[in-house]
Amino acid sequence: RKEVEQDPGPFNVPEGATVAFNCTYSNSASQSFFWYRQDCRKEPKLLMSVYSSGNEDGRFTAQLNRASQYISLLIRDSKLSDSATYLCVVNRVSNYQLIWGAGTKLIIKP
Amino acid sequence: DAGITQSPRHKVTETGTPVTLRCHQTENHRYMYWYRQDPGHGLRLIHYSYGVKDTDKGEVSDGYSVSRSKTEDFLLTLESATSSQTSVYFCAISGTEGTEAFFGQGTRLTVV
Repeated sequence: RKEVEQDPGPFNVPEGATVAFNCTYSNSASQSFFWYRQDCRKEPKLLMSVYSSGNEDGRFTAQLNRASQYISLLIRDSKLSDSATYLCVVNRVSNYQLIWGAGTKLIIKP
Repeated sequence: DAGITQSPRHKVTETGTPVTLRCHQTENHRYMYWYRQDPGHGLRLIHYSYGVKDTDKGEVSDGYSVSRSKTEDFLLTLESATSSQTSVYFCAISGTEGTEAFFGQGTRLTVV
C-alpha cells in the first residue's frame, strides 16, 4: 500500500459545480498535511495547509479525518481556472520528510 | 513567490555523460530538496540538505549526488546519465523540516 493515495481522475466537472476529492494516508502518527496545486508543466504551489479543525480559504475547504486517515479538499463554485492537478502531501513521522500523492486531475468544463 | 531559481530549465544530454543541475535560493531557508517527477508517480525525493555541507539521501538517490557549499546553492549531479533519469527535476526549500515546501520552476532533463 502506498503511503499516500489519491484517485488520479480525471474529474470532469461543469463550471459552477462543487467538487470534492479525498486523499488517504497510511501512517496514523502523521502531523502535517497539505494540498498543493500543479498546473500542466509547472511547479507545485501550496494551496493550503490542513489543520485538525479544518480550514477554509474562499471557495476551498480542507478537512482532516484522523480516525479514517484521510484528508479532503472541497471546491465550491468551480472556475475554469481551477483546472489543474491537486497533490496531497503528508509528512512521514520517522524522518519528517514530505510524502507526495500522485495527484488528482481536475478538469472544469464550460 | 519564493526566490528559487533552477538552471538549466531544459537540457538534453547523452547517456553516460555527467550532468549538474543548480538550485539557487534567496530566502535563506535551511532545508533544500531535490525531487524528480514522473508520470504516475508522486514527487520522489532524491536528496535533501539541512544545512551547508549537511546532506542526506532520499528514496531514489541511486545514481545521484549533491553538494551544498553555501546556504543559497544546492547542486544535483548525475554522475553518468542514463535514460531512466529522463524526468522533470524540482528543487524545493523550506524553513522548517516537515513543513510546507516552495518549489523552483523545474528542469526538464532528457537523456538520449
